[in-house]
Amino acid sequence: KAGVTQTPRYLIKTRGQQVTLSCSPISGHRSVSWYQQTPGQGLQFLFEYFSETQRNKGNFPGRFSGRQFSNSRSEMNVSTLELGDSALYLCASHMGPNTEAFFGQGTRLTVV
Amino acid sequence: ELKVEQNPLFLSMQEGKNYTIYCNYSTTSDRLYWYRQDPGKSLESLFVLLSNGAVKQEGRLMASLDTKARLSTLHITAAVHDLSATYFCAVDGWTGNQFYFGTGTSLTVIP
Repeated sequence: KAGVTQTPRYLIKTRGQQVTLSCSPISGHRSVSWYQQTPGQGLQFLFEYFSETQRNKGNFPGRFSGRQFSNSRSEMNVSTLELGDSALYLCASHMGPNTEAFFGQGTRLTVV
Repeated sequence: ELKVEQNPLFLSMQEGKNYTIYCNYSTTSDRLYWYRQDPGKSLESLFVLLSNGAVKQEGRLMASLDTKARLSTLHITAAVHDLSATYFCAVDGWTGNQFYFGTGTSLTVIP
């Protein structure tokens, strides 16, 4: 059974650029959530999608957005990148509401 | 907002010793999760605790949940070097799959 797949694994971007990260959940899972992990702030919730609808959103600026497709794959986009956006971005796959999270390997984003 | 506190933040212990990591959270929740993270890696699920009094064990690790005290513990028995990692607890908020993570406990087991 395939796990959670995140692409790309590593990214280097310049300030002001935008970036799109992708996450394919476990087959049959309909919910995807995203987290940002930094040494200073730890693991912070970005947003969650279930059946193509955003159900929850964390306390991040509007530059952070996401979407989910009909096949449950999800993307998150960060526009106008700032140095502080450098982080490990983790995607989690859930079978349904209020269920265990299975995490992908993450995308390491570096903004220079 | 739900707050999750872990202690200690750093733990250095000798092989063969026992120790406990504590996870306190601020509001009612019946779902608590423990994860392990190795350096540069993702989060690996260790335990899912879904009710008051739940206790789960896997190898040298045992986790428990007391929802009345809003406390979970992760007990390490006879530590070995392979257990060196960062351990996170996470609480599931009531609004779907929004997890609130603790600060993490960085565990180093010294031979």
